[in-house]
This record gives sequence, C-alpha cells and structure tokens, in this order.
Amino acid sequence: GENVEQHPSTLSVQEGDSAVIKCTYSDSASNYFPWYKQELGKRPQLIIDIRSNVGEKKDQRIAVTLNKTAKHFSLHITETQPEDSAVYFCAAMVVGTYKYIFGTGTRLKVLA
Amino acid sequence: DVKVTQSSRYLVKRTGEKVFLECVQDMDHENMFWYRQDPGLGLRLIYFSYDVKMKEKGDIPEGYSVSREKKERFSLILESASTNQTSMYLCASISPTGAQPQHFGDGTRLSIL
Repeated sequence: GENVEQHPSTLSVQEGDSAVIKCTYSDSASNYFPWYKQELGKRPQLIIDIRSNVGEKKDQRIAVTLNKTAKHFSLHITETQPEDSAVYFCAAMVVGTYKYIFGTGTRLKVLA
Repeated sequence: DVKVTQSSRYLVKRTGEKVFLECVQDMDHENMFWYRQDPGLGLRLIYFSYDVKMKEKGDIPEGYSVSREKKERFSLILESASTNQTSMYLCASISPTGAQPQHFGDGTRLSIL
C-alpha cells in the first residue's frame, strides 16, 4: 500500500541554524504534499504545501522542495527560532481520494 | 476560517464501555476523517466519510465504527473500549475542490482504564 517515510524522527538545532526534514513517498501518482506543525497539546496546522507541478515553494523562513523523480520532498526552515519547536508531519495525498498518508513525524527542538 | 470542533478534549472511560467521540465542522465539507495519533506512529486513519451515510475503512478500523447522519457531524464509536485504544483522536475535514489541506480539530485524549 501507499507509504510515507519521514526522517529524522528527532532533530535538535541551535537557534538561528537551519533545519531540514525529509520525506519519501511510494505512490508515484501522488500530487499534493502538505506539511503540518503540531505544537504541544494543539491541533496539527498546515504551514506549507506543494503540488506536483511545482518544484519548490517558499513562505518567509519556510520552504518545501519536491523531487518527483526520486519521490521525495523536504521541508526547510531557515533562521530557526525557539517557537519553531514542535512536531512536524509530512503527508501525501492519495490520488483519486482525499485521503492523506502521513509520515511518522519529526520532533524539532530549537535550542536557545 | 474552517472550524472543526471535537466535543471533548479529555475523556476517561472504562474497559468494555461503548464510547462516542463527536466531531462537527462548519464549512459544509463532504469529506471527514478520524485518525488516532500515537508517539512514533504518526497519524493513522481509522475511518473516513465522503458524504452523509457513507463511510469507508481506513488503515486501522478494527474495534471502531462511525456514523455520519448529517453532513456537518462525524462520530467515532468504540464498540467495546479496550486499553489499547487509549490514544489521541483527531478529526479532520476537507473541501472537495481538488488538492486542499485537511483541517483538524483540537483532538480528544481518550484514556481507557
């Protein structure tokens, strides 16, 4: 079945450094890839997404890149701040449905 | 802004009880989902619904059922609660207009004693 692998499971960076989280998906037909941030005790919230007809998308300090050939996509956070500390989930939409397959999450800690 | 509301943030029930988790969305979305979230396992899909009275099994439906009598409301039912169903449960909805983000509720942390 469809699968999304996410790495690393935990990531610690110094404030101001960059953080990169990587995901690989199995279904080559997937065409939509959202990233969610979940702070402790809160709901997952969309932070950025990318569609399969685009290779890169940026929103201030956050960017997502997509390599369709390799079937992987990555989240890049630059100039990290303590408030970026959270669990981040990637997902891939199953084509023909509105279902997502989620990665297992990355716990990001930004050390002040 | 889409609002997805789950009826309880915290719930404690006993083994063998029938448990109802309620979710309501206010954006007239056809598609609604129930996930459970466990450390290291991410979000796993239990059931989803494309429309009123329609339901489909997700990846881990065993021990659960759902009800969708009205478009805005999607209920998750634990037929006979067991301790391995202690978890965080998240409801989500999505607009059926192409590739769009799912919108989540705040979650229900359910403990089965």
